[in-house]
Amino acid sequence: GALVYQYPRRTICKSGTSMRMECQAVGFQATSVAWYRQSPQKTFELIALSTVNSAIKYEQNFTQEKFPISHPNLSFSSMTVLNAYLEDRGLYLCGASRGGQGTEVFFGKGTRLTVV
Amino acid sequence: LAKTTQPPSMEAYEGQEVNVSCSHTNIATSEYIYWYRQVPHQGPQFIIQGYKDYVVNEVASLFISADRKLSTLSLPWVSLRDAAVYYCIVTEWASWQLIFGSGTQLTVMP
Repeated sequence: GALVYQYPRRTICKSGTSMRMECQAVGFQATSVAWYRQSPQKTFELIALSTVNSAIKYEQNFTQEKFPISHPNLSFSSMTVLNAYLEDRGLYLCGASRGGQGTEVFFGKGTRLTVV
Repeated sequence: LAKTTQPPSMEAYEGQEVNVSCSHTNIATSEYIYWYRQVPHQGPQFIIQGYKDYVVNEVASLFISADRKLSTLSLPWVSLRDAAVYYCIVTEWASWQLIFGSGTQLTVMP
């Protein structure tokens, strides 16, 4: 079956430091990968979307300088949160899709970031 | 501006059928309707998708009104494991960007 693994599941970092999180699609070719952040208040924000043959597209309020993403292939993606502060806390979710209109998105279990 | 409106919470007993409604009055002709659910400490999980009429899979069924402004997710025989936040999402054409609203918190009682 199609699965998305995220690592680590939880992480704590000091304010002003950076941390890297990984996402791997297993069992399917992911033509699109996106990173979301779910805040402690449970609201979702799309950070960036990466689609095959296209550049990574960052949403408003998120920049490559703050959330650089690397994806050597669309089955593997990593994102770093640079200079993390309290407002960066939350559950970072990776979603991967096989592509095509109406195709479901498979989500990982997320990386929960705590900033102290 | 939210694209969908759902009841904030619902309760049901185990074994009951649960119907969760979703209003999407401004849905575009190019948009599909997705339903996801999320249990604590997990990412969202896809349930079902549809464009019009009626869709059924092994987990749920989805009824979409003729004008596509209202959809209803039906969960037969809910169990305690079905307790989750259920999200109704409409997608833009050629984009699978998922805009999650506040969802419906389903509580299942034994």
